[in-house]
Amino acid sequence: IAGITQAPTSQILAAGRRMTLRCTQDMRHNAMYWYRQDLGLGLRLIHYSNTAGTTGKGEVPDGYSVSRANTDDFPLTLASAVPSQTSVYFCATSRSSANTGELFFGEGSRLTVL
Amino acid sequence: SQQGEEDPQALSIQEGENATMNCSYKTSINNLQWYRQNSGRGLVHLILIRSNEREKHSGRLRVTLDTSKKSSSLLITASRAADTASYFCATDASVDTGRRALTFGSGTRLQVQP
Repeated sequence: IAGITQAPTSQILAAGRRMTLRCTQDMRHNAMYWYRQDLGLGLRLIHYSNTAGTTGKGEVPDGYSVSRANTDDFPLTLASAVPSQTSVYFCATSRSSANTGELFFGEGSRLTVL
Repeated sequence: SQQGEEDPQALSIQEGENATMNCSYKTSINNLQWYRQNSGRGLVHLILIRSNEREKHSGRLRVTLDTSKKSSSLLITASRAADTASYFCATDASVDTGRRALTFGSGTRLQVQP
């Protein structure tokens, strides 16, 4: 089934550890995004990529990095996790990078930093 | 700060009744979208309305957009228990921000009682 695969689905992590959340899509969409969802705050954009080879910062980029080496993969890395990064992380894609149309979301990765 | 704010934060109605959710935003937009999220799942796109449109329908959904008031509403008619979910508005404000990504509100939790 075509779509977006996020891994891991859930992870408990000690503060200070490095963590990479994986996102892979098979829809050949140009644009990819990482959002975090916290109770009462909705979704906030961390980083985005309008096309392979380019990335941009969202609303809350500090403590996170991304890369977009190819169309299909958009990993999100926490270099040194802190408890405030406890959240549910969603990867999303969009067909076009020219304008922001419909987003397709993965099922999320729940991260707990202790 | 959030670009979109939904109102109410929570809504409980009986099956068969209509549900209305409102969204206000702050900047100029290219389009406004509504998404649905079932508990523990990713977001699913419902409908997109462009800045030059005033009303749009899709099945039991009706969306209005008033760019002069920077507000939108989502109406779900003849609600069903299966409509129970959180609903989010999202705006494409790239005309102002230069960032081609959606900004989400904090959502309305809808509970439809059978």
